[in-house]
Amino acid sequence: SYELTQPPSVSVSPGQTARITCSGDALPKKYAYWYQQKSGQAPVLVIYEDSKRPSGIPERFSGSSSGTMATLTISGAQVEDEADYYCYSTDSSGNHRGVFGGGTKLTVL
Amino acid sequence: EVQLVESGGVVVQPGGSLRLSCAASGFTFDDYTMHWVRQAPGKGLEWVSLISWDGGSTYYADSVKGRFTISRDNSKNSLYLQMNSLRTEDTALYYCAKAMTTVTVLSGMDVWGQGTTVTVSS
Repeated sequence: SYELTQPPSVSVSPGQTARITCSGDALPKKYAYWYQQKSGQAPVLVIYEDSKRPSGIPERFSGSSSGTMATLTISGAQVEDEADYYCYSTDSSGNHRGVFGGGTKLTVL
Repeated sequence: EVQLVESGGVVVQPGGSLRLSCAASGFTFDDYTMHWVRQAPGKGLEWVSLISWDGGSTYYADSVKGRFTISRDNSKNSLYLQMNSLRTEDTALYYCAKAMTTVTVLSGMDVWGQGTTVTVSS
């Protein structure tokens, strides 16, 4: 079955740039979405269609995709950005199944 | 305000059945694909199922295919998940989520509910 692979953890100091990657064979053909989940809360969409930012999401959040890898970048990470981040995409076969990456714990300290 | 409110989560024995509901408001429900996503305790997000705007197309994760059925009632702005033959590994917080666009069933989700907890245990 199709899988998206993320690093389990990323750690940065406040003000530094955090980059979280997501790799998957279908990403050249399918969009990636990124979700932020803080402890005890529902996920929040932070990037859609590889690189678009929903209204209300700070400009320090950006996304890109090249080949089989999508990247979420947080420029000037803040303490409040500490959370779990998940990428999401769909299988490239005709079965239209969704899939999440395993999640990345971002620590900002 | 767009809002999704899940209900129906309880403690159920292995092999049992359960139906989850999701009440939607604040948007034109019958325009959008809807999803169910679950999260086991201390684990990551797992996509479960999606249903197209008219209910004509449904897709499932391999882990639930043949046991779970997604449905919707557009007249009631409601989404459902019928869960049969439940296993201990189905224990999770179940979220309903709205697709971001009306153009394709392949769109990701932009709005999530707060979830309802299903515990499968003897």
